[in-house]
Amino acid sequence: EVQLVESGGNLVQPGRSLRLSCVASGFTFDDYAMHWVRQDPGKGLEWVSGISWNSGSIAYADSVKGRFTISRDNAKNSLFLQMNSLRTEDTALYYCAKDSDRHYLPYNWFDPWGQGTLVTVSS
Amino acid sequence: QSVLTQPPSVSGAPGQRVTIPCTGSNSNIGAGYDVHWYQQLPGTAPKLLIYGNSNRPSGVPDRFSGSKSGTSASLAITGLQAEDEADYYCQSYDSSLSALYVFGTGTKVTVL
Repeated sequence: EVQLVESGGNLVQPGRSLRLSCVASGFTFDDYAMHWVRQDPGKGLEWVSGISWNSGSIAYADSVKGRFTISRDNAKNSLFLQMNSLRTEDTALYYCAKDSDRHYLPYNWFDPWGQGTLVTVSS
Repeated sequence: QSVLTQPPSVSGAPGQRVTIPCTGSNSNIGAGYDVHWYQQLPGTAPKLLIYGNSNRPSGVPDRFSGSKSGTSASLAITGLQAEDEADYYCQSYDSSLSALYVFGTGTKVTVL
């Protein structure tokens, strides 16, 4: 069974940092690009960042560019999101999601998604 | 933040047919990029429902169907069932560079 398990979410003050992790199982992790997608509580979905299978291509949404860093460790089947200079508007449930291909291409989709880890930014 | 527009809610009686439109622009759906649909049951993560505009993953009932035309796409649910009550989101790629992938605003389907 393909499974993604996120961790690392917490309550943090504005301006501080947090590192999210996602451990994958049930598929060949280094055969697929991976993504972080967030959901404001009770609201919609927002793509945050994506990384290709070999970390050769990385992309970010403008809303997090320069503050967040995505990375992966294929030897440990793990995906990470380093979040710096956190803002109150970063409060959300953060999902990791598996891409349908090695590279994040225009026609790709996300399947499956993890259960999410909650990040709350508040003073 | 969302650049794909969906109605906030649709409803129907059991057995009825409902459709959920997803309206984009020439930088996403209208540019020819595929549309995918996700179902989010209460308290759970989104689940892939339709990929590549009209394809169903294994295990998804054929009551769910997708289509795309011009700058819009649509999800149809025929023979509505109580377990279909959920939030539904469309997703596509956007060439405007502010975000590679964009989602719809989401539609809550209520079974009356």
